[in-house]
Amino acid sequence: ETGVTQTPRHLVMGMTNKKSLKCEQHLGHNAMYWYKQSAKKPLELMFVYNFKEQTENNSVPSRFSPECPNSSHLFLHLHTLQPEDSALYLCASSLRPQTSGGADNEQFFGPGTRLTVL
Amino acid sequence: GQSLEQPSEVTAVEGAIVQINCTYQTSGFYGLSWYQQHDGGAPTFLSYNALDGLEETGRFSSFLSRSDSYGYLLLQELQMKDSASYFCAGNTGGFKTIFGAGTRLFVKA
Repeated sequence: ETGVTQTPRHLVMGMTNKKSLKCEQHLGHNAMYWYKQSAKKPLELMFVYNFKEQTENNSVPSRFSPECPNSSHLFLHLHTLQPEDSALYLCASSLRPQTSGGADNEQFFGPGTRLTVL
Repeated sequence: GQSLEQPSEVTAVEGAIVQINCTYQTSGFYGLSWYQQHDGGAPTFLSYNALDGLEETGRFSSFLSRSDSYGYLLLQELQMKDSASYFCAGNTGGFKTIFGAGTRLFVKA
């Protein structure tokens, strides 16, 4: 239990559906992240929020739309996805930006949402 | 482009020592992290090297050489539960972390 929860854990959706992934952290962290993990590929950073402000958008297609209403909650809204978007979507949080040293660099990951797009 | 390279698989026997290497090509490099991920689980943080040298945490140690753009994770007294994927991750400044593709470690009895 890392203190980061994600719902749902599994999601199957058609290409015309609209769905949302939810992430919540109970650690008092200031930064939250969305990653995509595909088989045999590096974790891909998608979005970063710091104090609710988006600081990083890693050239993510507009069919993925993030929302951060407060420092504890992060959403990923999905619409008109493609089958190649099927992957594990991981949420993470950290106390502060990754330029800090030592333990401040630790990112705490949620268990992920396994997404299948049909 | 920015990338981190690590072997795709490593196999070792219980009780042995194994080293997982990571070479990186990044701009604005601040440090190297290591994460462990068991099948079906979330990545969990193992260590972070901001400076050159060796950091030791129990059975795990991590090393960084900035001049060689190279680091490694050393696992000692291997246990079956150490079978997992291990990722190196480069802190490139600000909020951006770039991950390697991961090394799958198989520990045999």
